Amino acid sequence: AQSVTQLDSQVPVFEEAPVELRCNYSSSVSVYLFWYVQYPNQGLQLLLKYLSGSTLVESINGFEAEFNKSQTSFHLRKPSVHISDTAEYFCAVTHGGAAGNKLTFGGGTRVLVKP
Amino acid sequence: DADVTQTPRNRITKTGKRIMLECSQTKGHDRMYWYRQDPGLGLRLIYYSFDVKDINKGEISDGYSVSRQAQAKFSLSLESAIPNQTALYFCATSDRQGKLAGELFFGEGSRLTVL
Repeated sequence: AQSVTQLDSQVPVFEEAPVELRCNYSSSVSVYLFWYVQYPNQGLQLLLKYLSGSTLVESINGFEAEFNKSQTSFHLRKPSVHISDTAEYFCAVTHGGAAGNKLTFGGGTRVLVKP
Repeated sequence: DADVTQTPRNRITKTGKRIMLECSQTKGHDRMYWYRQDPGLGLRLIYYSFDVKDINKGEISDGYSVSRQAQAKFSLSLESAIPNQTALYFCATSDRQGKLAGELFFGEGSRLTVL
């Protein structure tokens, strides 16, 4: 079985400040890791993912996440946030194979960017 | 038009009533999912279907049933709604594995309130 823990339920941050959202997972096999973002009153959309290769992955809007196998973590960071980054962020894991796209999600971290 | 469409978007009902949430997609994906979102719990998988003849229970299927009427349509039913089924429900789709592994495409959600 796999599980995902997002250590912070809410993160208030000022505009142009850095932000880090923490995610730890547990799994007995190799995993694929994801961050999804949910803007107010919308569905979730993929922000970035780690499947294999480089442990540092980036999104098109300045977020990055680093896969750390020894610490079973996949923390999300952005060096300078914008008001438009206000959203809820979900970390998710799957081990692929027969599980296909059956993702297990963390509880979410709500980011509120203040001017 | 949205690629994944859910109806209704909002529904208020009473305990004991039968409710159906419908999902249709134009992405041509084989795989479809129903998740529910509760504050602090993230998204939890109710049912999933990898093709028209394949239906599988997720982690919280009790009290729910589904029907895959066609590749593009996947409905979720609550035979006798109860208040703790009050939640935001999401339909999602995905393609087969490979480069798109793990990428779910979500509808905008159906908010259900059971009084």
